[in-house]
Amino acid sequence: EPEVTQTPSHQVTQMGQEVILRCVPISNHLYFYWYRQILGQKVEFLVSFYNNEISEKSEIFDDQFSVERPDGSNFTLKIRSTKLEDSAMYFCASSDDRATNEKLFFGSGTQLSVL
Amino acid sequence: AQSVTQLDSQVPVFEEAPVELRCNYSSSVSVYLFWYVQYPNQGLQLLLKYLSGSTLVESINGFEAEFNKSQTSFHLRKPSVHISDTAEYFCAVRKTGANNLFFGTGTRLTVIP
Repeated sequence: EPEVTQTPSHQVTQMGQEVILRCVPISNHLYFYWYRQILGQKVEFLVSFYNNEISEKSEIFDDQFSVERPDGSNFTLKIRSTKLEDSAMYFCASSDDRATNEKLFFGSGTQLSVL
Repeated sequence: AQSVTQLDSQVPVFEEAPVELRCNYSSSVSVYLFWYVQYPNQGLQLLLKYLSGSTLVESINGFEAEFNKSQTSFHLRKPSVHISDTAEYFCAVRKTGANNLFFGTGTRLTVIP
């Protein structure tokens, strides 16, 4: 079965540094998402992306966050100036049908640790 | 707004025993309901979903869940678990017509030999 791949699997950074989390969605998918899970808490929606623009975002997704699809295959999440509370597992997901969105394919996640 | 509650953070169960993982949701509008599973070192995978129709939905590996509107629940059950069912299980809800999922905190199912 096709899969969403995320790199790196673990990322350690210093507070205030910029990080870029990378994702390669499934090749024929058109809708892309970022979620995150802080340890012990819910998986939270961050942002959805379609047709080269953000279609929806949560309150968490403030000015420190940005997403980009720089080429035909990658989908990145950038955090400009990381904070301690950004430490979490970040999941990328993609789907081929917004209307039903029945089946999001998730990557295995990037564990971000901000020190 | 929608929210999902999974009261059990960890559920240990012996192999071949039945299991129920509880999920309750709150929403003022119609929703779709999902269960996702995360095996160790893997991404979230859709296990089963309720969109409409029969309130009892089944997965290919023996899990089932029943949508109970009056109790706002979507509990996941399996009559006989296997070692390979050891994983984290997430209940999720999506408002009809919306784009994003709201997840519960997850339940770690550990099957004991």
